[in-house]
Amino acid sequence: QVHLVQSGAEVKKPGASVKVSCKASGYTFTGQYMHWLRQAPGQGLEWMGRINPNSGGTDYARKFQGRVTMTRDTSISTAYMELRRLISDDTAVYYCAREGLAGATTNWGQGTLVTVSS
Amino acid sequence: DIQMTQSPSSLSASVGDRVTITCRASQNISSYLNWYQQKPGKAPHLLIYAASRLQSGVSSRFSGSGSGTDFTLTISSLQPEDFTTYYCQQSYSTLYTFGQGTKLEIK
Repeated sequence: QVHLVQSGAEVKKPGASVKVSCKASGYTFTGQYMHWLRQAPGQGLEWMGRINPNSGGTDYARKFQGRVTMTRDTSISTAYMELRRLISDDTAVYYCAREGLAGATTNWGQGTLVTVSS
Repeated sequence: DIQMTQSPSSLSASVGDRVTITCRASQNISSYLNWYQQKPGKAPHLLIYAASRLQSGVSSRFSGSGSGTDFTLTISSLQPEDFTTYYCQQSYSTLYTFGQGTKLEIK
């Protein structure tokens, strides 16, 4: 059974960085892309990017280019998403999600609330 | 980027009704269209992938259709647990995008 377990909630000040982790189990970690998405309070879903855990190659949404870095550690089946230069609008629940058939994001982590506040 | 326009943004219906939600892509995305259900405080849950394929374990009252730029999600015979929010997502482009969401409310 696939499980994605994310790190805990974070509170950050504007201008800081946050790094969220996503530990995968129940499948071959290097076999499928891992995506990162977010959802601001009361808002819709926003795709941030994805990483190929096998090669480390990444694709980022234009909005986050230059401010986000997605990495992985295959030895512990964990993906990471770091977002820099945080602003209050980055307050959101951040999700990791494993890609499945036809590119759909089939399995999701439980979400990590990141609050940006001075 | 491919823009996804979902309609309506909200919809009122009754238990037992049949409802349809529409998603339109700004360019041809073949059948790379997925539908998700999201309940408050929970992660989204995949319902339909590749426009019409039912995800394992999902009730057959959910169905999807369409190709190219126009897609629909149909829920036949609404159940109380279906009153929540739905999103479409395109996975045709390397850069994924979502529709704005449809909130399904009890009339």
